[in-house]
Amino acid sequence: DVKVTQSSRYLVKRTGEKVFLECVQDMDHENMFWYRQDPGLGLRLIYFSYDVKMKEKGDIPEGYSVSREKKERFSLILESASTNQTSMYLCASSLWGSGGIYEQYFGPGTRLTVT
Amino acid sequence: GQQLNQSPQSMFIQEGEDVSMNCTSSSIFNTWLWYKQDPGEGPVLLIALYKAGELTSNGRLTAQFGITRKDSFLNISASIPSDVGIYFCAGHRGNKLVFGAGTILRVKS
Repeated sequence: DVKVTQSSRYLVKRTGEKVFLECVQDMDHENMFWYRQDPGLGLRLIYFSYDVKMKEKGDIPEGYSVSREKKERFSLILESASTNQTSMYLCASSLWGSGGIYEQYFGPGTRLTVT
Repeated sequence: GQQLNQSPQSMFIQEGEDVSMNCTSSSIFNTWLWYKQDPGEGPVLLIALYKAGELTSNGRLTAQFGITRKDSFLNISASIPSDVGIYFCAGHRGNKLVFGAGTILRVKS
């Protein structure tokens, strides 16, 4: 079974703090993703990575950065947390398929509250 | 912005009922996927559809990839209480998945 783990289930941070969210997958997947989930908006892609040290912006990258130093680990960084970044953050990973990236496997999520 | 229209937004089910939900888009997708999310957990993949017209079952779940490649539906037969949760459709295009806003399934009390 694919296992994707996230470092925290719940996190409370203050406005302006630098926040690190960590994600680890144990299935040697090339691709990793960070999404945020908000009610009524579904999942929106923040950043993704095809390989170590590779990253690409998703649909809502503003205010975020990422780091992928090892294949199994993908970190999301909030440089200066703001209240509008209060959300559920989901990490996912996938293999390269013949059709590209499609079957993504998700971690349990980190619910971040910025006060 | 949101590119998939998922409906209904929410629905109440009574145990034993059949449930239907669907997803439509103005754009073509190469693959459709359906996920379920339980409270406090990440989404779990239920069904993946790779060919237009494909009909696939997974236990009580049946999903179809529309012939136009712009829509998909998910049916749940004989629903049970543990079917409650949020169901997401997702379309694959290029190197990304695009998600619908979700259908919330609740139990009628």
